[in-house]
Amino acid sequence: EAQVTQNPRYLITVTGKKLTVTCSQNMNHEYMSWYRQDPGLGLRQIYYSMNVEVTDKGDVPEGYKVSRKEKRNFPLILESPSPNQTSLYFCASSLITSGGPDTQYFGPGTRLTVL
Amino acid sequence: GDSVTQMEGPVTLSEEAFLTINCTYTATGYPSLFWYVQYPGEGLQLLLKATKADDKGSNKGFEATYRKETTSFHLEKGSVQVSDSAVYFCALTKAAGNKLTFGGGTRVLVKP
Repeated sequence: EAQVTQNPRYLITVTGKKLTVTCSQNMNHEYMSWYRQDPGLGLRQIYYSMNVEVTDKGDVPEGYKVSRKEKRNFPLILESPSPNQTSLYFCASSLITSGGPDTQYFGPGTRLTVL
Repeated sequence: GDSVTQMEGPVTLSEEAFLTINCTYTATGYPSLFWYVQYPGEGLQLLLKATKADDKGSNKGFEATYRKETTSFHLEKGSVQVSDSAVYFCALTKAAGNKLTFGGGTRVLVKP
């Protein structure tokens, strides 16, 4: 089954404790991306990757890191989480067309709470 | 920069009513436009898309037409069901930049 998986689905942590949220896709997509969803702010892009070893900042990259060492995986790293990073996070992947990233396939989401 | 503006919700309707969700965008060039739907407790999934002016996307009874002259991509459905209760997001992407821009989302609640 074609899918994007994220782990963990729920995480409660404390300020400053490094964490990683994993994301994996089995569709051989070149494009992968992380978003955060906050009430009243909709969905905002954190980082994206066009292919292995190619990553770039989205609209809200501060406080986050990513890596793309393999095509299927795109982990999101919070080196020193802060309470303002409490949010619902989505990973997504897609093919890339001549018009840019195509239909995004989203993971189920990770609800992060930073105390 | 690019932006997408959606009507604020929540939108509350009775079953079989007509639904319209307005979406307008600001972008240079020729973006592709998408509508995604998020059902409670789930991730987003594609509802429909259009890649050039005057294209009409359609799926599950929903339709949206890419209007370049009014920079709009309004979502419509003629007769909603309770199962259409969800949050709907309008989004755009472009070849230049490779970023995606989403609107704020519109929550729709359909009552029996």
